[in-house]
Amino acid sequence: AQSVAQPEDQVNVAEGNPLTVKCTYSVSGNPYLFWYVQYPNRGLQFLLKYITGDNLVKGSYGFEAEFNKSQTSFHLKKPSALVSDSALYFCAVRDMGQSNTGKLIFGQGTTLQVKP
Amino acid sequence: SQTIHQWPATLVQPVGSPLSLECTVEGTSNPNLYWYRQAAGRGLQLLFYSVGIGQISSEVPQNLSASRPQDRQFILSSKKLLLSDSGFYLCASIGRGSRVDTQYFGPGTRLTVL
Repeated sequence: AQSVAQPEDQVNVAEGNPLTVKCTYSVSGNPYLFWYVQYPNRGLQFLLKYITGDNLVKGSYGFEAEFNKSQTSFHLKKPSALVSDSALYFCAVRDMGQSNTGKLIFGQGTTLQVKP
Repeated sequence: SQTIHQWPATLVQPVGSPLSLECTVEGTSNPNLYWYRQAAGRGLQLLFYSVGIGQISSEVPQNLSASRPQDRQFILSSKKLLLSDSGFYLCASIGRGSRVDTQYFGPGTRLTVL
């Protein structure tokens, strides 16, 4: 079965320090991977995606993610965290069993808390 | 780029009352459309999706229904709300005619059933 796991419910980091939010996946074939961010009482905002090509993907707000096929991971990273990065982050993978529907399988989300 | 509108933004309804939430999309045509529910600010549950007018697929059996009367309009309904229908409802869209396969989300509707 296809799945996405975000092993940490919450990640705490000090402002200015690097941050990593972890994501692992299980799909058949080549994955399409996505990261979204959600601020309180707001919709999800798209950050970045991996479809093919370079394993290091750069996205919005200085975020990047590294696709690692051997470890089936797609961790979200940022070199220097800001307090304003505090939010709920979702990793998602395209449901390849029904690729024409565009359906996504989401992880449970990781709350990022950046402290000044 | 596409823009997704949802209304109302917030809604408080009594148990047993009907529900109608609306989602409209601008800036694309023939999109795939999705309804999600998010409970307690955490995981997303896909409720319905649509690949075209009048084409609705339900992901989970429940008290809700969806309709797509127009190409860029997606409606979530209920005849009688339950307490368990409370949550944050999100509409999402994948636009046609572009290289990207990204779902973009609307601002959401906060539904409280009392």
